[in-house]
Amino acid sequence: SQQGEEDPQALSIQEGENATMNCSYKTSINNLQWYRQNSGRGLVHLILIRSNEREKHSGRLRVTLDTSKKSSSLLITASRAADTASYFCATARPDTGRRALTFGSGTRLQVQP
Amino acid sequence: GAVVSQHPSWVICKSGTSVKIECRSLDFQATTMFWYRQFPKQSLMLMATSNEGSKATYEQGVEKDKFLINHASLTLSTLTVTSAHPEDSSFYICSARDREGLNTEAFFGQGTRLTVV
Repeated sequence: SQQGEEDPQALSIQEGENATMNCSYKTSINNLQWYRQNSGRGLVHLILIRSNEREKHSGRLRVTLDTSKKSSSLLITASRAADTASYFCATARPDTGRRALTFGSGTRLQVQP
Repeated sequence: GAVVSQHPSWVICKSGTSVKIECRSLDFQATTMFWYRQFPKQSLMLMATSNEGSKATYEQGVEKDKFLINHASLTLSTLTVTSAHPEDSSFYICSARDREGLNTEAFFGQGTRLTVV
């Protein structure tokens, strides 16, 4: 079953603006990952944050993790049209030895040029 | 980074026929691969876990006789959709993690768009 929820489901912004996506999960985690999916394509890994980390940066990406609230956020700063894609958070399924990933419902980001 | 190659990227088949999708890890050994299914504008749902040299583990509600999985080597898993029907039309994606990969990223194939007519 689907592990977590993301909001918003869809987000449309102008180039140069920041985009924030939120994710909630249900089980205990060792880490949480964010992935990007261009339309009709596979997933590309963006960033992994461990359970003992609260914030992590990678280029224009900033991820936060609040394990007490079982939530995470992904911030994309200074967005570009090329950032248009769907973004998913993912956590490892405990019942698969933490190998299979379960994904949030995803946020479809549209960046208008 | 590691590469997972999935083939074909798209396929159209007639109802009642079978379709085989291949997933290869190109530069690492994957004892475990995962098959996901994705409907339009929805998230990925795990179908099954493919284990090298043993039977696949299927998620609840996934018919193992319809979605045959074979993982005969450390670099290749195949998913065969048998007797396909229009409702099987979907986007199928495979994934693999390396042997040590509990705290590392997963690598995904490019996906296969299956259309059953």
